Amino acid sequence: AQSVAQPEDQVNVAEGNPLTVKCTYSVSGNPYLFWYVQYPNRGLQFLLKYITGDNLVKGSYGFEAEFNKSQTSFHLKKPSALVSDSALYFCAVRDIRTGANNLFFGTGTRLTVIP
Amino acid sequence: GAGVSQSPRYKVAKRGQDVALRCDPISGHVSLFWYQQALGQGPEFLTYFQNEAQLDKSGLPSDRFFAERPEGSVSTLKIQRTQQEDSAVYLCASRPTSGHTDTQYFGPGTRLTVL
Repeated sequence: AQSVAQPEDQVNVAEGNPLTVKCTYSVSGNPYLFWYVQYPNRGLQFLLKYITGDNLVKGSYGFEAEFNKSQTSFHLKKPSALVSDSALYFCAVRDIRTGANNLFFGTGTRLTVIP
Repeated sequence: GAGVSQSPRYKVAKRGQDVALRCDPISGHVSLFWYQQALGQGPEFLTYFQNEAQLDKSGLPSDRFFAERPEGSVSTLKIQRTQQEDSAVYLCASRPTSGHTDTQYFGPGTRLTVL
């Protein structure tokens, strides 16, 4: 069975400081990993994904994530947080071994960037 | 270009009523997904279409839920005899191809409230 854990419901960070939003996963095979962001009353907006290759993935708006197979993690990072980054962040996984097409999401982490 | 659109954005139904939710995917996208997002939770998979074929409906919670995509573009999610536990945001996503590495692009969702 596949699962995604986002251990922090809420992350607060001061504007200009680096931010990390944590994600760990469990799949039976190799994972495809995704990060999405959700602003109020809007759908999920794609940030980045890991499929294969370089473990460090760069995405939209200065975000990046590092795939760590040994720790089964895919933490989202940004060197300098902006107030406009405040939103709900979702990590998602697709287990390619199962052949399923859908994504399996974590419960989300609310990021608040304090001015 | 135009993204995924959904209508209505908000729907209030009395318990026992039938509802129909519409999704207009990005033009030309082969794959279409429906997800259900309960309050405070991540999206959960409902069903998947490749063109007009419904290839996976394993996430539909009951036989009251029915989805169709008759011409391989617009999709409708129908819920019969709505119950209070059906209250959620219903998200539609489309993907350019059936390729496993492709990104899913989400619409803004329909917030369904069942009284």
